Amino acid sequence: AQSVTQLGSHVSVSEGALVLLRCNYSSSVPPYLFWYVQYPNQGLQLLLKYTTGATLVKGINGFEAEFKKSETSFHLTKPSAHMSDAAEYFCAVSGANSGGYQKVTFGIGTKLQVIP
Amino acid sequence: DAGVTQSPTHLIKTRGQQVTLRCSPKSGHDTVSWYQQALGQGPQFIFQYYEEEERQRGNFPDRFSGHQFPNYSSELNVNALLLGDSALYLCASSSLTTGMAYTFGSGTRLTVV
Repeated sequence: AQSVTQLGSHVSVSEGALVLLRCNYSSSVPPYLFWYVQYPNQGLQLLLKYTTGATLVKGINGFEAEFKKSETSFHLTKPSAHMSDAAEYFCAVSGANSGGYQKVTFGIGTKLQVIP
Repeated sequence: DAGVTQSPTHLIKTRGQQVTLRCSPKSGHDTVSWYQQALGQGPQFIFQYYEEEERQRGNFPDRFSGHQFPNYSSELNVNALLLGDSALYLCASSSLTTGMAYTFGSGTRLTVV
């Protein structure tokens, strides 16, 4: 069983400010963790993923996330928000591939508003 | 390189009707997963196809069925449509080499009236 909790359905930041989107996960096996971004009327685009190895993961558009096993967290950050970052962000979890295929479970999403 | 292609982009159906949605995965991907995203919600897993078989299924009734073809493309069929089936239906493709990272299509917006 696996689940994702995203704290804060809406987050507002000023342009140039730090972006922090929170995600906690639950998984009965070692997790694979993902962040996706969705712009209006579009599909989801992968920002970054954690599978194994380095716990700090860098993604596209200046985003990064840190896997903290002790806290079961995978928070998404960006040092300086840009207007184009306004979108909805989804955290997702999957069980580490053990030879079979695992479904990916998504959180409810966090809408990021960037204020000029 | 074409990504994931879904058709149609929009669809309006009447309650009780049946609908078929189509998906062509990204080149090199062999696994197709389908998700339902209701307005303001996260994507909900419907099912996943690999080697033309349903490998995983979410908590959706049997009215939802699918198929995968030898060229890895896939269809999602929904019978006896309900108003609550109105949503964005997303197709995602992946492979073992992507570590379960998906490439999503732009979705099919289904409206049931």
